[in-house]
Amino acid sequence: AQSVSQHNHHVILSEAASLELGCNYSYGGTVNLFWYVQYPGQHLQLLLKYFSGDPLVKGIKGFEAEFIKSKFSFNLRKPSVQWSDTAEYFCAVNVPGFQKLVFGTGTRLLVSP
Amino acid sequence: GAGVSQSPSNKVTEKGKDVELRCDPISGHTALYWYRQRLGQGLEFLIYFQGNSAPDKSGLPSDRFSAERTGESVSTLTIQRTQQEDSAVYLCASSLQSIRASGEKLFFGSGTQLSVL
Repeated sequence: AQSVSQHNHHVILSEAASLELGCNYSYGGTVNLFWYVQYPGQHLQLLLKYFSGDPLVKGIKGFEAEFIKSKFSFNLRKPSVQWSDTAEYFCAVNVPGFQKLVFGTGTRLLVSP
Repeated sequence: GAGVSQSPSNKVTEKGKDVELRCDPISGHTALYWYRQRLGQGLEFLIYFQGNSAPDKSGLPSDRFSAERTGESVSTLTIQRTQQEDSAVYLCASSLQSIRASGEKLFFGSGTQLSVL
């Protein structure tokens, strides 16, 4: 069965610092990959997703993620974070043809002004 | 309403009691999911409904857990004889189509925080 690992549970950055959150999945075949974000007091919402094509995916609010198949990774990046990026970030994987969206444990990001 | 609605937002119950959690998906969304998030853990898939098809119950942790959905509307998740390890946030999500079809994104509710004393 597929699983998702997010090794950074808590990340603290200053504004304008660069961000990279790690995500690794375990499944040898084709996958769909997602990053969801939960801002304080809000619902989980989709940040970006990868199905096929260009492995570098652009999302909302300046976020991007790169799918590296050889490393089974889908790391989330942002060149310069803002205080408003403070949130919990979840990586998720889905095997095409199956309904389950399997989530990682999440990474809490705190951006200090 | 505009989003996925869950009730109650908080539920405190005693060990051994039954609880019922409710989810109102976005109108027109055919797919509905229940997830559980225990403290410090990721979202754990519980059950999936798609239209009138048989639900995927493969994530339900025990036979104390059950869920129903009437057509493409409200869903209820029932936990019988609650245990302390059932304490978690229970999240409902809906999508216009199934992930199987298009990787359609999920719209999440705000969850029900269940505390079993």
